[in-house]
Amino acid sequence: DAKTTQPPSMDCAEGRAANLPCNHSTISGNEYVYWYRQIHSQGPQYIIHGLKNNETNEMASLIITEDRKSSTLILPHATLRDTAVYYCIVRVAEETSGSRLTFGEGTQLTVNP
Amino acid sequence: GAVVSQHPSRVICKSGTSVKIECRSLDFQATTMFWYRQFPKQSLMLMATSNEGSKATYEQGVEKDKFLINHASLTLSTLTVTSAHPEDSSFYICSAGGQLRQFFGPGTRLTVL
Repeated sequence: DAKTTQPPSMDCAEGRAANLPCNHSTISGNEYVYWYRQIHSQGPQYIIHGLKNNETNEMASLIITEDRKSSTLILPHATLRDTAVYYCIVRVAEETSGSRLTFGEGTQLTVNP
Repeated sequence: GAVVSQHPSRVICKSGTSVKIECRSLDFQATTMFWYRQFPKQSLMLMATSNEGSKATYEQGVEKDKFLINHASLTLSTLTVTSAHPEDSSFYICSAGGQLRQFFGPGTRLTVL
């Protein structure tokens, strides 16, 4: 799986958009970009994933650059409950139910009141 | 979305005893489940892949005789920490899922005295 690079920490004001960057310059053509987050002392939570097109769901938007070497996760209106460690993971989507994930250090997002 | 549960959520035991942690997929079948370990202020580290009906696959450096994994049904995997020692104190998390995403359990906090 391709390696990802994320800033160790970021701060955001409540109600503002949080933009979390991720570099994955060695990504292969069949690798997806996944985002998970982990609130303190809980299991990780899936947020969103994409291959090359921008994606949006009820939680966030994912913007992938045209060369796919970097991406940005956008939380449009951050709340205090969005304070968590955000992990950007790049991997191939396997055809079976096995889909191991390799977690890097992630970005600690702190949303301030 | 799919739900993965873990039991117990928290356990304290004496050094030398064995502890069993259960991971259940509540509304879907999982032929493969994953076990992770997370030490304080660190990221998740994959320990092993649990395969229904066959032996688990362990990551390098993880002792298979110490961390016994049983995946006897399509909805249940168990991790038994045998002869636990204080250095085994950690947050243990399981996951299960499909082709494109994984669902994580809430985690089990193990404290070995």
